[in-house]
Formats: sequence, C-alpha cells, structure tokens
Amino acid sequence: GENVGLHLPTLSVQEGDNSIINCAYSNSASDYFIWYKQESGKGPQFIIDIRSNMDKRQGQRVTVLLNKTVKHLSLQIAATQPGDSAVYFCAENGGRNTDKLIFGTGTRLQVFP
Amino acid sequence: DGGITQSPKYLFRKEGQNVTLSCEQNLNHDAMYWYRQDPGQGLRLIYYSQIVNDFQKGDIAEGYSVSREKKESFPLTVTSAQKNPTAFYLCASSKGTGGQPQHFGDGTRLSIL
Repeated sequence: GENVGLHLPTLSVQEGDNSIINCAYSNSASDYFIWYKQESGKGPQFIIDIRSNMDKRQGQRVTVLLNKTVKHLSLQIAATQPGDSAVYFCAENGGRNTDKLIFGTGTRLQVFP
Repeated sequence: DGGITQSPKYLFRKEGQNVTLSCEQNLNHDAMYWYRQDPGQGLRLIYYSQIVNDFQKGDIAEGYSVSREKKESFPLTVTSAQKNPTAFYLCASSKGTGGQPQHFGDGTRLSIL
C-alpha cells in the first residue's frame, strides 16, 4: 500500500476500547471542521463534520467535540474495531466564505485484537 | 454510483516528460481540487477550481498546470519543471466552497523512472 503516514503520531488501542484522536487547529476564524479517515492506498473518506455553532455532534459510533476556546477538535470512536485502523485527518476551512480546507498532518490509529 | 474517478492508479514519469493525471466526477459538484500528499505530511493544495473555465493556484502550484473545460473533469499536468514530482496525488470535489465537505478519489501514485 501507499506509505501514507510515515512518522505520524500513532494511537494504539485494543479492539473494543474507545479511541480519542485529537487535533489542534490553527485559525480562530475557522467555522467549519471535518474529520477524514484514510486507509493505505486510498483517498480520504469523510467521517463527520461540525460547524462552529455546535460543541458536539454524533454519528454512528463517532462523536466530534469542538472547543473553540483552545482551538481543539477531537474525534471519539466507540468500540473500536480492526476496520478502524487508518490515518485520521482533521481539516478546517480557515474562515467564513473561504474556498479551501486546511488539513492537519494526521494521526495513525492501530487497533490490536 | 456517484463518485470521483482518478486514473491511472500508478504512473511513471521519465526525466523531462510532462504527464497528465485524470480526475472525473459525476456528483454534479461545482468545485474541484488537486492535492499532493507526501509521507508524514498533510495534504497540500496544488490548484482548485470553483467553476468551469476558472481556476486558482493553491499553495504549491509551481511545476503544475490544470484546465477546467468541463464541469466533470479537472486534469492535472505535472510538468518537467516540477523537480520532485514523486508523490501521491489526490483529486477532490465539493458542492461549493467554504463550509462544504470535499469528497476524494482514490489517488494516483506518481514515480520517477
């Protein structure tokens, strides 16, 4: 597969445990945030997004938390499964009406049986 | 199924050669993007287009060129002026810009012969 994610921060969890992946974003004007999952050799896959008027948003087995005070975003994965092993990226839009996304460097999640 | 198709999956370039990477989407999205991904780094924006017949440089446009003659297509040419072209190239599209998720293809891996 592709060598995406060499030298990335790595989170190792046991199957069935909950995972928390953190992201510090850069621009206090950002009002839209996304989490992506990238498996080896594939493109990033959209997981969940959140706008700045919310602190928390839940999806299926995933929850995103936004703390605008400290510019921090987290992704919580419940009951982590081997299929969750991948590199996870956060992205921010840099401000209202901007036309680009700014991506973080990513965190590798490894799930052990 | 709607989605983004990138081709080829693997591409080899000889010294002094231009190569073109294909990106096609059938999501009826207005905006399209090209990113470069290197190991251990986040996605870096090369070019983007918000509408047909218009495009803007991203953060690392030198040595690359694009065209947007059709809404569905946004090909990227890696020119001989790009001295370090070996990377994983990702194409994305979105309905609009700013607070919209970008949807990605599965990438093209470019290597130098």
